[in-house]
Amino acid sequence: KNEVEQSPQNLTAQEGEFITINCSYSVGISALHWLQQHPGGGIVSLFMLSSGKKKHGRLIATINIQEKHSSLHITASHPRDSAVYICAGPVTQGGSEKLVFGKGTKLTVNP
Amino acid sequence: DTEVTQTPKHLVMGMTNKKSLKCEQHMGHRAMYWYKQKAKKPPELMFVYSYEKLSINESVPSRFSPECPNSSLLNLHLHALQPEDSALYLCASSLGSPGEGNSPLHFGNGTRLTVT
Repeated sequence: KNEVEQSPQNLTAQEGEFITINCSYSVGISALHWLQQHPGGGIVSLFMLSSGKKKHGRLIATINIQEKHSSLHITASHPRDSAVYICAGPVTQGGSEKLVFGKGTKLTVNP
Repeated sequence: DTEVTQTPKHLVMGMTNKKSLKCEQHMGHRAMYWYKQKAKKPPELMFVYSYEKLSINESVPSRFSPECPNSSLLNLHLHALQPEDSALYLCASSLGSPGEGNSPLHFGNGTRLTVT
């Protein structure tokens, strides 16, 4: 079982819809990262959060540390939001920290 | 534009070749990472450098050899690769460790490697 689980794996929406992507993790983490990867490879860090909620434009990320759950919301979705969204949590290995990635959610927003 | 620069963008090499991937950042970040990503899969961590010292090696075969000449540069030396090593190789950096407050990862655009 992956330490970081995302759902859904694939998501198709119509332009303007409200999108929610969920992330659950089984390890104790101090912060959770949400990343976006467009076709072609480049990965962009969207949020890093350890409590509560963060908002950037139409993107909102929430986290509940006690329940080990985070969500990424996209309001008024647009075709340019089509990408793979990945959540990742840092775990400690041998005194160093590394990120454990979820398998990603592929979002397609149709016009 | 990404603040982490990777070169080359594309690389085709034979199994007997020696090549190097380069990564550069000038944000003063102290942690740098190499990831390998196959199609439709999340990135897989290969190496972590912290303060120019190798801190994590995820049991990567010795045909991949990382090097951190200084705090701004990270190289990945390739030798005697196999066709299954073809993938997107991503470099990333962060101010501190991934769990530290306000230490998001900054990724380069990657090098798409094809081994023939």
